[in-house]
Amino acid sequence: AQRVTQPEKLLSVFKGAPVELKCNYSYSGSPELFWYVQYSRQRLQLLLRHISRESIKGFTADLNKGETSFHLKKPFAQEEDSAMYYCALQGGSEKLVFGKGTKLTVNP
Amino acid sequence: ETGVTQSPTHLIKTRGQQVTLRCSSQSGHNTVSWYQQALGQGPQFIFQYYREEENGRGNFPPRFSGLQFPNYSSELNVNALELDDSALYLCASSLGARVRGGREQYFGPGTRLTVT
Repeated sequence: AQRVTQPEKLLSVFKGAPVELKCNYSYSGSPELFWYVQYSRQRLQLLLRHISRESIKGFTADLNKGETSFHLKKPFAQEEDSAMYYCALQGGSEKLVFGKGTKLTVNP
Repeated sequence: ETGVTQSPTHLIKTRGQQVTLRCSSQSGHNTVSWYQQALGQGPQFIFQYYREEENGRGNFPPRFSGLQFPNYSSELNVNALELDDSALYLCASSLGARVRGGREQYFGPGTRLTVT
C-alpha cells in the first residue's frame, strides 16, 4: 500500500527561524516524492521533487530511504512562505498519493 | 502557454442528482488526472486518462466516471450524488509517463461542489 503521513497539521514559526515540515511514506518500491504548496487563494503547485535535487525558494528536501522520509527544510523562514504544504508520492502507477497537509504560518 | 482550467468554479447540487465537471489541460499535455479533496484532507486520486483511455483508477465507486476528448480536455461525471461527495475537485494535466520528466502534474484551480 502507498501511504504518506504528515504528522503536523499546523506549524507556526517566526520569521528568520528554521523550519522543517515532516513527511514519512510507505511504499515497497522506489517512489518519486514531491512537495506541493498551495498559497492562499492560489492553485496547488509543485514546489520541488526529489529527483531533481534542487532548491526552490530556499527550500530543500532529502529523500532518506532508510527512514522512509522526505522532510522539507528551509534555514530562514519568510512571511511569504505561509501556505499549505502537501507531500506526495508517485509509485509504479501514475497517481499521486498525498498526505493530509501541513499549514505553515510564519509570524513577523 | 495556457494553464489548466476548470469549470464551473462552484456548484450546488441536491442529493441524488448528477453533475459534470470540466477540465481543459495545459497546452501540449495528453494526460489528465482527477482528484477529490475533502475539507481538511489531501487530494485523493479518482482516475486518470491518457489519450482518451482510462489509465488507472482510485478507490471510487462506478458512479464516478470520466471521459477524455481528442483535444485532451476531460469531464468528470458523478451520478446519484451523496452528501459526502461535497468536496473540491481538482484536475491535473501532464505530458505522460512516456516522456522524460512527463509525470509532473499541473493542477487547475478546482471546482467546489456542494451537495445538499
